[in-house]
Amino acid sequence: TQLLEQSPQFLSIQEGENLTVYCNSSSVFSSLQWYRQEPGEGPVLLVTVVTGGEVKKLKRLTFQFGDARKDSSLHITAAQPGDTGLYLCAGMAGANNLFFGTGTRLTVIP
Amino acid sequence: DSGVTQTPKHLITATGQRVTLRCSPRSGDLSVYWYQQSLDQGLQFLIQYYNGEERAKGNILERFSAQQFPDLHSELNLSSLELGDSALYFCASTRGDRAPDGYTFGSGTRLTVV
Repeated sequence: TQLLEQSPQFLSIQEGENLTVYCNSSSVFSSLQWYRQEPGEGPVLLVTVVTGGEVKKLKRLTFQFGDARKDSSLHITAAQPGDTGLYLCAGMAGANNLFFGTGTRLTVIP
Repeated sequence: DSGVTQTPKHLITATGQRVTLRCSPRSGDLSVYWYQQSLDQGLQFLIQYYNGEERAKGNILERFSAQQFPDLHSELNLSSLELGDSALYFCASTRGDRAPDGYTFGSGTRLTVV
């Protein structure tokens, strides 16, 4: 079983601050996905990164895939209350095995 | 609305009982995946069906079973329920049997075993 560890587990910040969430593994993944989950809902896909070193931007969110395709980071600039939620990374190993990380619960205080 | 429909939204049942959770995939999607989410285990993959056939199996207990019907909806059957089976159960769907571009999840079924 591939283990994806996310840090920090919990993060509470003030509106307007920047933050970075990390997703680490000892396994190599063919691609890595980031999801956000809100209470009472299923995870919603934010982005997929495929190439080692790849950087993708989604408005104030910046996603990076590590050069060795074992880790990833999510950076949020000027966080807003609407960014509050559980952020999950998920690595694709093999044809169709998606392993989810332990999650980072973010709270942005107005 | 993601297009993936799960029913019921909430379910409360007693230990030893059997329940069935239902999932209708997004229109045009042929694959259905079942996941269990608990506080201490995170999101755990249970099983995948593609066009009616089992395609991949994860950490699914022998007390649990699933199937996908000709109209592509899927059911997850949980039997001899234990307190530890209390969790959120999610269904996700994809167009093909592989998901390089990510899954579309339903809103989940919250199962409480008392």
